[in-house]
Amino acid sequence: NAGVTQTPKFRILKIGQSMTLQCTQDMNHNYMYWYRQDPGMGLKLIYYSVGAGITDKGEVPNGYNVSRSTTEDFPLRLELAAPSQTSVYFCASSLPRGAPTGGQETQYFGPGTRLLVL
Amino acid sequence: RKEVEQDPGPFNVPEGATVAFNCTYSNSASQSFFWYRQDCRKEPKLLMSVYSSGNEDGRFTAQLNRASQYISLLIRDSKLSDSATYLCVVNKAGGGYQKVTFGTGTKLQVIP
Repeated sequence: NAGVTQTPKFRILKIGQSMTLQCTQDMNHNYMYWYRQDPGMGLKLIYYSVGAGITDKGEVPNGYNVSRSTTEDFPLRLELAAPSQTSVYFCASSLPRGAPTGGQETQYFGPGTRLLVL
Repeated sequence: RKEVEQDPGPFNVPEGATVAFNCTYSNSASQSFFWYRQDCRKEPKLLMSVYSSGNEDGRFTAQLNRASQYISLLIRDSKLSDSATYLCVVNKAGGGYQKVTFGTGTKLQVIP
């Protein structure tokens, strides 16, 4: 099991450019999440998904889009990069409460993508 | 008031010391609680769940006080390898979704 993988590890973007942050998990988890973490700050939820084809906004969705066409993949799209989007982005996955395996609320995180927008 | 509040620290303690962190949460409907550990420039990883009865894992003890809405983490016999940021996490289920709220973390530095 690779767990949760994210690519790229690091990226520099110019203002106005677009990019997609990739996230894949091989644990057959239903729930997936995208967070951003600014220096010295907590994790803020951008978008989440409770299963393939279902996504919803988190706390800070503006400037981002997501899709969930498969259970494994949950890419995050930045359309017009802005300096305020400079951050570390973490993808995570989990099973929901009451899942057949007995319920697992633990979130498993990928290693993160460091994004710098100049 | 923030949903989840932690003292940011840093807590600088000598090796072998006992250190305790507290975390308060504002939503009384919160259902499950966790401590995560985050090393510098790494992803958060689950340290332990927190139960009302309290739970212990080696040198780590977690407690939940629902009446006062706080969670604690006690680390005994601190090791250099315990140096990290400890994140308090509070979950609340509803509408088919777990609302997961992370605290900003408490930084621990264990000094030789």
